[in-house]
Amino acid sequence: DTGVSQNPRHKITKRGQNVTFRCDPISEHNRLYWYRQTLGQGPEFLTYFQNEAQLEKSRLLSDRFSAERPKGSFSTLEIQRTEQGDSAMYLCASSLIQASQETQYFGPGTRLLVL
Amino acid sequence: DAKTTQPNSMESNEEEPVHLPCNHSTISGTDYIHWYRQLPSQGPEYVIHGLTSNVNNRMASLAIAEDRKSSTLILHRATLRDAAVYYCILRDGDTGRRALTFGSGTRLQVQP
Repeated sequence: DTGVSQNPRHKITKRGQNVTFRCDPISEHNRLYWYRQTLGQGPEFLTYFQNEAQLEKSRLLSDRFSAERPKGSFSTLEIQRTEQGDSAMYLCASSLIQASQETQYFGPGTRLLVL
Repeated sequence: DAKTTQPNSMESNEEEPVHLPCNHSTISGTDYIHWYRQLPSQGPEYVIHGLTSNVNNRMASLAIAEDRKSSTLILHRATLRDAAVYYCILRDGDTGRRALTFGSGTRLQVQP
């Protein structure tokens, strides 16, 4: 399967710990997005990359959150000093720059539970 | 971003057509209408998008009102696999903002 993959699929951590999630986009997709989704709500945008450049960050992305895409391929999202409010599904999506309305392809998500 | 309004939930019977409405009265001339859906325990997946004309693909049809203030996603024959949350999203074709702004969507239940 050559879709977007995310690891781990589930993560349980204690409050105050750091966690890191990985996203592997579809090969040759130059845009990569991170979203967060809480129960019963639609996904909310966090940040996106075009190649290795981080082009936009949401106000939701507090200074405890950092995302990287060092070589323009996979990306990592790190949350430092986790809080219970960080519990959510973290979704990654990738797309290929074509026309202005490119399709985003989503991964299965990483579900984070902060105890 | 212009907002969309969708019913919270809808029900359908298997093998019957489903019409999922979306209101977007503040849509701008450069906004495209996108539909994504999210099956249980999965990430969202693209369904269809359009600007002014009605659109068809293998998954669904998109009917856009003449004034573009509303649109309808049409599933021609619902299957149990179509049970999902359907999101109607406006995306500016001009400013280059790339992120999708999801609302709460419509939860579609399909009865056998």
